[in-house]
Amino acid sequence: GDSVTQMEGPVTLSEEAFLTINCTYTATGYPSLFWYVQYPGEGLQLLLKATKADDKGSNKGFEATYRKETTSFHLEKGSVQVSDSAVYFCALSGHNDYKLSFGAGTTVTVRA
Amino acid sequence: DTAVSQTPKYLVTQMGNDKSIKCEQNLGHDTMYWYKQDSKKFLKIMFSYNNKELIINETVPNRFSPKSPDKAHLNLHINSLELGDSAVYFCASSQGDRGPLSNYGYTFGSGTRLTVV
Repeated sequence: GDSVTQMEGPVTLSEEAFLTINCTYTATGYPSLFWYVQYPGEGLQLLLKATKADDKGSNKGFEATYRKETTSFHLEKGSVQVSDSAVYFCALSGHNDYKLSFGAGTTVTVRA
Repeated sequence: DTAVSQTPKYLVTQMGNDKSIKCEQNLGHDTMYWYKQDSKKFLKIMFSYNNKELIINETVPNRFSPKSPDKAHLNLHINSLELGDSAVYFCASSQGDRGPLSNYGYTFGSGTRLTVV
Protein backbone atom coordinates (compact mmCIF):
# COMPACT_ATOMS: atom_id res chain seq x y z
CA GLY A 1 0.00 0.00 0.00
CA ASP A 2 0.89 3.67 -0.05
CA SER A 3 3.45 4.76 2.50
CA VAL A 4 5.67 7.65 3.51
CA THR A 5 9.14 7.52 5.02
CA GLN A 6 10.65 10.60 6.60
CA MET A 7 13.92 11.18 8.34
CA GLU A 8 14.01 10.37 11.99
CA GLY A 9 14.53 13.06 14.54
CA PRO A 10 14.97 14.70 16.74
CA VAL A 11 16.63 17.53 14.89
CA THR A 12 18.16 20.38 16.89
CA LEU A 13 19.27 23.57 15.16
CA SER A 14 20.40 27.07 16.03
CA GLU A 15 18.33 30.05 14.96
CA GLU A 16 18.93 31.11 11.34
CA ALA A 17 20.26 27.67 10.38
CA PHE A 18 19.10 25.83 7.26
CA LEU A 19 16.56 23.06 7.79
CA THR A 20 15.95 20.04 5.57
CA ILE A 21 13.63 17.17 6.43
CA ASN A 22 13.74 14.32 3.95
CA CYS A 23 10.56 12.57 2.83
CA THR A 24 10.17 9.78 0.29
CA TYR A 25 7.03 7.96 -0.69
CA THR A 26 5.75 4.74 -2.21
CA ALA A 27 2.45 4.94 -4.05
CA THR A 28 0.62 3.69 -7.12
CA GLY A 29 -0.41 6.36 -9.57
CA TYR A 30 0.07 10.01 -8.80
CA PRO A 31 -0.53 10.88 -5.17
CA SER A 32 -0.92 14.32 -3.68
CA LEU A 33 1.74 15.22 -1.12
CA PHE A 34 1.47 17.30 2.01
CA TRP A 35 3.51 18.64 4.91
CA TYR A 36 1.73 19.16 8.21
CA VAL A 37 3.09 20.85 11.32
CA GLN A 38 2.12 20.17 14.93
CA TYR A 39 3.08 22.79 17.49
CA PRO A 40 3.29 21.68 21.14
CA GLY A 41 -0.12 20.86 22.58
CA GLU A 42 -1.96 21.55 19.34
CA GLY A 43 -3.49 19.69 16.42
CA LEU A 44 -1.91 19.34 13.02
CA GLN A 45 -2.00 22.24 10.59
CA LEU A 46 -1.50 22.02 6.86
CA LEU A 47 1.83 23.69 6.04
CA LEU A 48 2.02 23.16 2.29
CA LYS A 49 0.99 20.80 -0.47
CA ALA A 50 1.70 19.72 -4.04
CA THR A 51 -0.68 17.81 -6.25
CA LYS A 52 1.43 16.91 -9.30
CA ALA A 53 5.01 16.30 -10.33
CA ASP A 54 7.35 19.33 -10.25
CA ASP A 55 4.83 21.38 -8.25
CA LYS A 56 6.43 23.43 -5.49
CA GLY A 57 4.46 24.06 -2.32
CA SER A 58 5.48 26.98 -0.14
CA ASN A 59 4.28 28.68 3.04
CA LYS A 60 5.86 30.63 5.93
CA GLY A 61 9.30 30.37 4.32
CA PHE A 62 9.06 26.59 3.95
CA GLU A 63 9.27 24.93 0.53
CA ALA A 64 8.95 21.43 -0.86
CA THR A 65 9.06 20.21 -4.48
CA TYR A 66 7.23 17.11 -5.71
CA ARG A 67 9.93 15.00 -7.41
CA LYS A 68 8.42 12.05 -9.20
CA GLU A 69 11.74 10.73 -10.46
CA THR A 70 13.09 10.36 -6.94
CA THR A 71 9.65 9.89 -5.26
CA SER A 72 10.55 12.61 -2.81
CA PHE A 73 9.04 15.70 -1.20
CA HIS A 74 11.76 17.15 1.01
CA LEU A 75 10.91 20.09 3.25
CA GLU A 76 13.34 23.03 3.42
CA LYS A 77 13.61 26.37 5.14
CA GLY A 78 16.52 28.71 4.67
CA SER A 79 16.57 30.38 8.09
CA VAL A 80 14.68 28.84 10.99
CA GLN A 81 13.34 30.65 14.02
CA VAL A 82 12.63 29.45 17.55
CA SER A 83 8.92 29.56 16.67
CA ASP A 84 9.51 26.83 14.05
CA SER A 85 10.07 24.30 16.84
CA ALA A 86 7.42 21.65 16.20
CA VAL A 87 6.79 18.16 14.85
CA TYR A 88 6.64 17.98 11.06
CA PHE A 89 4.71 15.26 9.22
CA CYS A 90 4.96 14.30 5.58
CA ALA A 91 1.76 12.76 4.18
CA LEU A 92 0.24 11.51 0.95
CA SER A 93 -3.13 10.63 -0.49
CA GLY A 94 -3.96 8.69 -3.62
CA HIS A 95 -5.96 10.33 -6.39
CA ASN A 96 -9.26 8.78 -5.33
CA ASP A 97 -8.36 8.15 -1.74
CA TYR A 98 -10.07 9.49 1.36
CA LYS A 99 -7.18 8.52 3.59
CA LEU A 100 -4.02 10.47 4.38
CA SER A 101 -1.03 8.27 5.11
CA PHE A 102 1.42 10.00 7.44
CA GLY A 103 5.11 9.58 8.01
CA ALA A 104 6.37 9.03 11.53
CA GLY A 105 6.97 12.73 12.18
CA THR A 106 10.21 14.62 12.76
CA THR A 107 10.65 16.68 15.91
CA VAL A 108 12.52 19.91 15.26
CA THR A 109 13.90 22.09 18.07
CA VAL A 110 15.37 25.49 17.27
CA ARG A 111 17.61 27.07 19.92
CA ALA A 112 18.01 30.82 20.29
CA ASP B 1 -15.13 30.26 15.30
CA THR B 2 -13.41 26.92 15.76
CA ALA B 3 -13.51 24.92 12.53
CA VAL B 4 -13.15 21.42 14.03
CA SER B 5 -13.84 21.20 17.74
CA GLN B 6 -13.38 18.22 20.01
CA THR B 7 -14.54 17.70 23.55
CA PRO B 8 -13.20 17.04 26.04
CA LYS B 9 -9.63 18.25 25.60
CA TYR B 10 -8.40 16.05 28.45
CA LEU B 11 -9.93 12.83 29.73
CA VAL B 12 -8.56 10.81 32.65
CA THR B 13 -10.43 7.64 33.48
CA GLN B 14 -10.01 4.25 35.08
CA MET B 15 -9.56 0.94 33.29
CA GLY B 16 -12.81 -0.72 32.43
CA ASN B 17 -14.82 2.48 32.09
CA ASP B 18 -16.75 3.54 28.99
CA LYS B 19 -16.16 7.02 27.58
CA SER B 20 -17.06 9.14 24.56
CA ILE B 21 -15.27 11.87 22.66
CA LYS B 22 -17.28 14.30 20.56
CA CYS B 23 -16.32 16.10 17.38
CA GLU B 24 -18.09 18.80 15.42
CA GLN B 25 -17.06 20.69 12.29
CA ASN B 26 -18.61 23.89 10.96
CA LEU B 27 -16.80 23.87 7.61
CA GLY B 28 -19.54 22.14 5.63
CA HIS B 29 -17.14 19.26 4.88
CA ASP B 30 -18.46 15.91 3.69
CA THR B 31 -15.94 13.61 5.34
CA MET B 32 -14.77 13.21 8.93
CA TYR B 33 -12.06 11.06 10.51
CA TRP B 34 -10.67 9.77 13.76
CA TYR B 35 -6.91 9.35 14.14
CA LYS B 36 -4.96 8.01 17.09
CA GLN B 37 -1.55 9.51 17.94
CA ASP B 38 0.64 7.42 20.20
CA SER B 39 3.36 8.56 22.57
CA LYS B 40 5.92 8.51 19.72
CA LYS B 41 3.72 10.89 17.70
CA PHE B 42 2.81 8.20 15.15
CA LEU B 43 -0.61 8.86 13.58
CA LYS B 44 -2.88 5.99 12.65
CA ILE B 45 -6.28 6.32 11.03
CA MET B 46 -9.13 4.59 12.81
CA PHE B 47 -12.37 5.50 11.07
CA SER B 48 -13.83 7.76 8.42
CA TYR B 49 -17.38 8.77 7.57
CA ASN B 50 -18.56 10.42 4.36
CA ASN B 51 -22.04 11.94 4.62
CA LYS B 52 -22.85 9.69 7.59
CA GLU B 53 -21.65 6.56 5.81
CA LEU B 54 -18.71 4.58 7.19
CA ILE B 55 -16.02 4.44 4.49
CA ILE B 56 -12.85 3.58 6.40
CA ASN B 57 -12.73 1.11 9.25
CA GLU B 58 -9.16 0.14 10.00
CA THR B 59 -8.12 -2.71 12.25
CA VAL B 60 -9.38 -1.31 15.52
CA PRO B 61 -10.71 -3.27 18.52
CA ASN B 62 -14.49 -3.67 18.61
CA ARG B 63 -14.47 -1.67 21.83
CA PHE B 64 -14.16 1.42 19.63
CA SER B 65 -17.36 2.49 17.90
CA PRO B 66 -17.83 5.64 15.84
CA LYS B 67 -21.20 7.31 15.43
CA SER B 68 -22.12 10.04 12.96
CA PRO B 69 -25.59 11.50 13.58
CA ASP B 70 -25.11 13.98 10.73
CA LYS B 71 -22.27 15.01 8.47
CA ALA B 72 -21.14 17.75 10.87
CA HIS B 73 -20.63 15.39 13.81
CA LEU B 74 -18.52 12.30 14.41
CA ASN B 75 -18.32 10.87 17.90
CA LEU B 76 -16.08 8.09 19.22
CA HIS B 77 -17.28 5.76 21.94
CA ILE B 78 -14.84 3.48 23.72
CA ASN B 79 -15.97 0.56 25.89
CA SER B 80 -13.98 -1.20 28.58
CA LEU B 81 -11.01 1.16 28.41
CA GLU B 82 -7.52 -0.36 28.64
CA LEU B 83 -4.16 1.15 29.56
CA GLY B 84 -3.05 0.83 25.94
CA ASP B 85 -5.85 3.15 24.83
CA SER B 86 -3.98 6.08 26.38
CA ALA B 87 -3.15 8.40 23.48
CA VAL B 88 -4.17 11.64 21.81
CA TYR B 89 -7.21 11.22 19.57
CA PHE B 90 -7.64 13.65 16.70
CA CYS B 91 -10.75 14.38 14.73
CA ALA B 92 -10.37 15.80 11.22
CA SER B 93 -12.55 16.73 8.28
CA SER B 94 -12.09 17.20 4.55
CA GLN B 95 -14.08 18.42 1.57
CA GLY B 96 -14.78 16.72 -1.74
CA ASP B 97 -16.62 13.74 -3.06
CA ARG B 98 -14.04 12.17 -5.40
CA GLY B 99 -10.32 12.35 -4.93
CA PRO B 100 -11.26 14.51 -1.98
CA LEU B 101 -7.84 14.91 -0.50
CA SER B 102 -6.00 15.68 -3.70
CA ASN B 103 -6.37 19.40 -3.34
CA TYR B 104 -7.62 20.03 0.15
CA GLY B 105 -6.01 17.83 2.77
CA TYR B 106 -7.48 17.73 6.26
CA THR B 107 -8.52 20.25 8.88
CA PHE B 108 -7.71 18.86 12.32
CA GLY B 109 -9.19 19.43 15.72
CA SER B 110 -6.87 20.21 18.63
CA GLY B 111 -7.02 16.69 20.02
CA THR B 112 -8.30 14.84 23.09
CA ARG B 113 -5.64 13.49 25.42
CA LEU B 114 -6.99 10.28 26.92
CA THR B 115 -5.20 8.85 29.94
CA VAL B 116 -6.34 5.49 31.29
CA VAL B 117 -5.17 4.71 34.83
